[in-house]
Parts: sequence; structure tokens; C-alpha cells
Amino acid sequence: GQQVMQIPQYQHVQEGEDFTTYCNSSTTLSNIQWYKQRPGGHPVFLIQLVKSGEVKKQKRLTFQFGEAKKNSSLHITATQTTDVGTYFCAGGSKAAGNKLTFGGGTRVLVKP
Amino acid sequence: NAGVTQTPKFQVLKTGQSMTLQCAQDMNHEYMSWYRQDPGMGLRLIHYSVGAGITDQGEVPNGYNVSRSTTEDFPLRLLSAAPSQTSVYFCASSYRAPGQIDSYEQYFGPGTRLTVT
Repeated sequence: GQQVMQIPQYQHVQEGEDFTTYCNSSTTLSNIQWYKQRPGGHPVFLIQLVKSGEVKKQKRLTFQFGEAKKNSSLHITATQTTDVGTYFCAGGSKAAGNKLTFGGGTRVLVKP
Repeated sequence: NAGVTQTPKFQVLKTGQSMTLQCAQDMNHEYMSWYRQDPGMGLRLIHYSVGAGITDQGEVPNGYNVSRSTTEDFPLRLLSAAPSQTSVYFCASSYRAPGQIDSYEQYFGPGTRLTVT
């Protein structure tokens, strides 16, 4: 079945630095969604990508969908303490019954 | 709009007990789903529904039952609780199935933290 892997599992970042988290699928995706979960909270939708090579920005967050629609990345610039949490990617495909398969998440810890 | 609500927030069960986790949404979403979240494993789909009267299995359905008699409600039943079902359970809803080109975001409830001893 469809598998979605995320790396790294943990990311310790100094406040003000940049970092990137990566998402790789075993199959070609129809779409990819990114969610953020604060400690003790529930996942909250950030963005959806559907086109090959698509790039979308939300303030300091840049999301990219690979040309082959099998990978994605989230890049955060000038990390702030408000960025603390776990970031999940989730890929969907017709082959998977239009369901989302979540990656294991990248847990981000920010050092002030 | 209350969004997606879940009850209870916390629950402790003994092995073999049964219980129902409640989920309701007031956004008239057709698609609803249940996930469990275990440390380091992301969210895994248990069961989902594409509309009232229609349910199907996800990735990890064993030990759980669901029904969808109304658009608003999607309860999850644990038939005979086991320690392996200790987890955080999230209900989610969206306008349509989330894994396609014209999908919309999923809205998650606050979660139920279940411990089985």
C-alpha cells in the first residue's frame, strides 16, 4: 500500500535559523496536505498542493511539491518559538481510494 | 459553528470493557473519519464514511466498529478494549474525500485520550 515517510523525525532549531522537513511517498500522489499540531493539540490544516512542481508560501513557510508528485518539502525561515509543534504531511491518491496517508511527522523544538 | 466536537476528552478503560467515542460536526460535511495517533507513527486511519449510511475500513480497523446514521454524527465503538488500543483518537471531517485533486482541508476534533489497563 501507499507509504509516506517524513524526515527528520526531530528537528532542534535555534531561534532565527531556517530548516526544512521532507516528505516522500512510495507512489505518485494526487495531492499533498500539510498539517501542524501544537503540543497537546489537534492537527490544523496549513496548505494543499496539487500541481507538479507547485510552490506556495505562507509568510515564513514555503511548501513545495516535487515534479514527479512523489515528494514534498516544508521550509521555514527565521524560526520563531511559535513554530514549535509537529508538522505532518499527508498524501492522497486515487489508488489509495482518495484517502490520505499521513507521514510520521517532524517534531520541531526551538531553542531561544 | 462548533466545528468538530469529540467526547469524552479522557477515558480510562479496563481490558475487555467496551465504550463509544462520540464525534459530531456541524459543517454539513459528507466525509468523516477516525484516526489514532501513537508516538512516532503519525495518524493512522481506522474507519471513514463518505456519507450517511456508508462506512468503510481504513488502515487499522480491527477492534473498532462505526456507523453513520446522520450526516452530523460518526461514533466509534471499541468492542472489547485491549492495552494496544491505548492511544489518542481524532475524528475529522471534510466536504469530500481528502485524497484527491479537488479536495478540501480536513477539520480535526480536539481528540480523546484513551488508556486501557
